[in-house]
Amino acid sequence: DAKTTQPPSMDCAEGRAANLPCNHSTISGNEYVYWYRQIHSQGPQYIIHGLKNNETNEMASLIITEDRKSSTLILPHATLRDTAVYYCIVRVAGSGYALNFGKGTSLLVTP
Amino acid sequence: GAVVSQHPSWVICKSGTSVKIECRSLDFQATTMFWYRQFPKQSLMLMATSNEGSKATYEQGVEKDKFLINHASLTLSTLTVTSAHPEDSSFYICSAGGQSSNYEQYFGPGTRLTVT
Repeated sequence: DAKTTQPPSMDCAEGRAANLPCNHSTISGNEYVYWYRQIHSQGPQYIIHGLKNNETNEMASLIITEDRKSSTLILPHATLRDTAVYYCIVRVAGSGYALNFGKGTSLLVTP
Repeated sequence: GAVVSQHPSWVICKSGTSVKIECRSLDFQATTMFWYRQFPKQSLMLMATSNEGSKATYEQGVEKDKFLINHASLTLSTLTVTSAHPEDSSFYICSAGGQSSNYEQYFGPGTRLTVT
């Protein structure tokens, strides 16, 4: 799997948009970009994934650059409950493939 | 989304005893389940991959005779930590996926194991 690089930590004010960047310059053509988050002492939660087009769901938006070497996860209106570690992972789609968790970005949403 | 449960959510056991952790996919059939381990302030580390009806595949450095994995049905996988020692104390998390989860993985809430 391609490796990813994320900032170790970020802060965001409640109600503002949180933009979490991820670099994945060695991503292969058949690898997707996945985002998961882990709230303290809980299992990871799936957020969103995409191949090359931008994606949006009820939780977040995923913006992937045209060259696919980087992406940004956007939480449009961060709440205190969004405080978590966010993991950007690239891998081939399909449940037969494990997720390789890096160190992620620790997002702190402040009042 | 698909729901995965784990039982127990936490367990304390004495050194030398064995502990079994269950992972269940509640509303879908999981052809593949993964077991991860997470030490404090660290990321998740993959321990093993199990496919229903097959032997588990262990990651390098994970003792297969110590961490016994059984995936006998499409909704249940178990991890047994045999002869547990304090260094096995950790947060154990499973994930599951299959056709009926749209081939995406969903995680259980984790099991906190403390070995005294």
